[in-house]
Amino acid sequence: QSALTQPASVSGSPGQSITISCTGTSSDVGGYKYVSWYQQYPGKAPKLMIYEVSYRPSGVSNRFSGSKSGNTASLTISGLQAEDEADYYCSSYTSVNTGVFGGGTRLTVL
Amino acid sequence: QVQLVESGGGVVQPGGSLRLSCAASGFTFSTHAMHWVRQAPGKGLEWVALIWYDGSNNYYADSVKGRFAISRDNSKNTLYLQMSSLRADDTAVYYCARDPHMAGTTIDYWGQGTLVSVSS
Repeated sequence: QSALTQPASVSGSPGQSITISCTGTSSDVGGYKYVSWYQQYPGKAPKLMIYEVSYRPSGVSNRFSGSKSGNTASLTISGLQAEDEADYYCSSYTSVNTGVFGGGTRLTVL
Repeated sequence: QVQLVESGGGVVQPGGSLRLSCAASGFTFSTHAMHWVRQAPGKGLEWVALIWYDGSNNYYADSVKGRFAISRDNSKNTLYLQMSSLRADDTAVYYCARDPHMAGTTIDYWGQGTLVSVSS
C-alpha cells in the first residue's frame, strides 16, 4: 500500500496550463479505471474533480482534464486562474480492494 | 444534496479507544460503499477503511489493521469507525466519504471531518 507518487509542487502563471502526474503500479493506477483527482483548500474537505481517469463531475470546470498512460495518470489544468491555487491529490483503487492516495501536489498560481 | 456529518472526535490518551460516527443524508445510504480517510496535521490524505453497501466486506490500510473496525447501520444511515490501541501517529482529521458504487471503487463526496488527537 505505498502511496502514489506526485510532485510536491507545481506552479504556473494565470492563463497557462499545468500538468500534475501521479505514478503508481500495475496493481493500482495501471490496472484499473478507478483513478480520481481531488482539489483541497486549506482547512477544507477535498472535492472530486476527475473520476474514472477522465470524467468530470457536474459543476467542475472543463478546464480540468484527466488522462492515463500505463502506470501514470495526469491532471491537466488549462487557463490557470487564481482560484485554482490549492492542493491536488490523486487516488486509485488497488488489487487488494483498498484505496491509495498520492502524496499531494501544491499548485501555486504565480 | 449529499450530506455527511462526522462526530465523535476529541482528545484521547495513547492506548485508548474512540468511536467515530458519520450521519448520512440526501442519498440512499444502503446502496453505497463508504470509506474513512484521514489527514494528519500538515500532511496528505491517507485512505483508512472501506465497507461495502451491505456491510458484507471490509478492508483496511495496513497501518490500522487489527486496531480499527469499520461498520454501518443502514437502518440509521450511519457509518462508524471504532478505533482502539490509539497511537500518537493516529492524530488526524478523519473524513467520512461516499463511494459512488455498492462495492469499493473511489470517493465522490466527503464530510467536513472530525479531529482526533492522541496525546497524554
